[in-house]
Amino acid sequence: AQSVAQPEDQVNVAEGNPLTVKCTYSVSGNPYLFWYVQYPNRGLQFLLKYITGDNLVKGSYGFEAEFNKSQTSFHLKKPSALVSDSALYFCAVSPTTSGAGSYQLTFGKGTKLSVIP
Amino acid sequence: DTGVSQDPRHKITKRGQNVTFRCDPISEHNRLYWYRQTLGQGPEFLTYFQNEAQLEKSRLLSDRFSAERPKGSFSTLEIQRTEQGDSAMYLCASSITADTQYFGPGTRLTVL
Repeated sequence: AQSVAQPEDQVNVAEGNPLTVKCTYSVSGNPYLFWYVQYPNRGLQFLLKYITGDNLVKGSYGFEAEFNKSQTSFHLKKPSALVSDSALYFCAVSPTTSGAGSYQLTFGKGTKLSVIP
Repeated sequence: DTGVSQDPRHKITKRGQNVTFRCDPISEHNRLYWYRQTLGQGPEFLTYFQNEAQLEKSRLLSDRFSAERPKGSFSTLEIQRTEQGDSAMYLCASSITADTQYFGPGTRLTVL
């Protein structure tokens, strides 16, 4: 079974500083990896994904993530944080192999990002 | 708006009552998913449809839960004899391929 760990419940960063939100995963075979963002009382918005290819993935709103197979990590990064980036961020994984569980996303518990003006 | 839509956005019910939620996926998406999210947790998978066929169900989906997608378009999720533990945000997602799922705004259920 696949799993995702987001080791930090909360990340605080000053506006204009770089931010990192950490994610590690466990899955059989090669993973599909995703980051989603959730604003209060809203659904999840897709930010970016890793399927294959370049380990550095660029997504919406200036976010990027780096896939590291040896460390089984997929950390979310942004060079310069904005106050409007404050939200709940979820990392998710699904396997690329077929069979039971192959269609479902498995999410981490989420990391609350607070960008301080 | 061409995204995933869900109705209602909020539902308050009394314990023991039945509730039904609706999800309308993005029009060309043949795959549809239901998830449940409780406070402080990430979404948890409930069930998956490809067209009208329900291909996968989580063990979280007890006998009181049933989902349908009769014509391969919209889907409904029904909870019978609701319990307080059913209080959660119910999220629907759709996709056209096996990778990126796009989520709706969710239905927040409160069972009193």
